[in-house]
Order: sequence, then structure tokens, then C-alpha cells
Amino acid sequence: GAGVSQSPSNKVTEKGKDVELRCDPISGHTALYWYRQSLGQGLEFLIYFQGNSAPDKSGLPSDRFSAERTGGSVSTLTIQRTQQEDSAVYLCASTRGGSSYNEQFFGPGTRLTVL
Amino acid sequence: GENVEQHPSTLSVQEGDSAVIKCTYSDSASNYFPWYKQELGKRPQLIIDIRSNVGEKKDQRIAVTLNKTAKHFSLHITETQPEDSAVYFCAAPGTNAGKSTFGDGTTLTVKP
Repeated sequence: GAGVSQSPSNKVTEKGKDVELRCDPISGHTALYWYRQSLGQGLEFLIYFQGNSAPDKSGLPSDRFSAERTGGSVSTLTIQRTQQEDSAVYLCASTRGGSSYNEQFFGPGTRLTVL
Repeated sequence: GENVEQHPSTLSVQEGDSAVIKCTYSDSASNYFPWYKQELGKRPQLIIDIRSNVGEKKDQRIAVTLNKTAKHFSLHITETQPEDSAVYFCAAPGTNAGKSTFGDGTTLTVKP
């Protein structure tokens, strides 16, 4: 079946612009996660959704970052007034069960470059 | 929240040797411990996991061991091959079942 998909695969933007990153989880997966991975670094947790609710937003770096999920499916991560330090790969993952006690299926990521 | 420490950060072995990566966690409520492999330019993928009701799990050349008392778990790769070269991440969920905390990753290089 189809895996987790993300779009765009690459995004180059100018400092100060807003960007939207999209994640399509595996159908039926109730939990969805966003991570940020800077070059050569680990997986930095940003936010997760249980259905359309986000019980834990503790990882969002600043109020320039926000995310939403609609219909228990597609999620959008929005970064406003982008800064150069936002440059990274943004990964999305989903799990079959409603918790992190299950395998996380990752998307291919969106590589964001802020000039 | 959960705190996961992973060691070493880099590991280089000769083909055919064994590799061991260790993670420690802080929250005794954690009861699921996965390991993900991320090849260069690819997405992380689960390679093996263990739940707290077992102490060891094997799948061909890879195995994971868990010591709940000491709060650490390890990934063991035997008879390493060049295609094992990748970054490996451990994770633990902690009390907050909705969130997994990942280790910082170990870059494994297998020299032919």
C-alpha cells in the first residue's frame, strides 16, 4: 500500500517568507508526528497529533511554527517569517496505533532551504 | 519527560566484525524500544524493536537486548556488511505514550 508522503520534496525560500509543508499519512493511521533533522543531526521532535488534536506541541521551536491536521488525515506544518536556521529536513511519521508504542512509518521528508 | 542518551556517536568496524550501540533512558514507564536505520538520503526505517516483557529479541544478524533495571538497551549487529553502514537511532516513549524521544544517532561505517 501507499506509504507516508510529503510535499514538496524540496523547498527553497527567501528569508522572511512563509512556507507550508504537507504530510499525507498512511490511511487509517491515527497518530502523526513532525520532526526536524538538521544536517548530520538527530530527530528533533516538533509536534504530534492524535486524530485532529495536538496534545503535545512542546517541540515547536517558536511561535513562528504551527501545525494543523484535518479530517484525521493530512497535516500541514507552517513556518512563518522563515529564518536561515530553519533550514533542515522536515520529516513526518505516522503510526497504526494511537501511540508511540508502535512502529513509526516515516515519509521521505521535505528539504527546506532558507536563503 | 523522557531523556535518551545514545553511544557511541560514531562507530567504525571492519566487515565481518560485530557492532554494538547502547542507549540509556530515564523514564521507567517506557516499555517499547525501537531501533531505526537511516541510510544516507533516505527516511528512517524500523529494523527491530523490543517490548519490556522480553529481555532479548533476534532477527537474523541483528539483536536487541533490554535491561529494565539498569534502564538501557542495546543494538547488536553481527557479521557486519558494507550495506549496514547508516545512522542508527534508538527511541523510547516514556510516560507520554504519544511522543517518542529519539537518541542522537550513531553513524556506523563498515569498511570492506
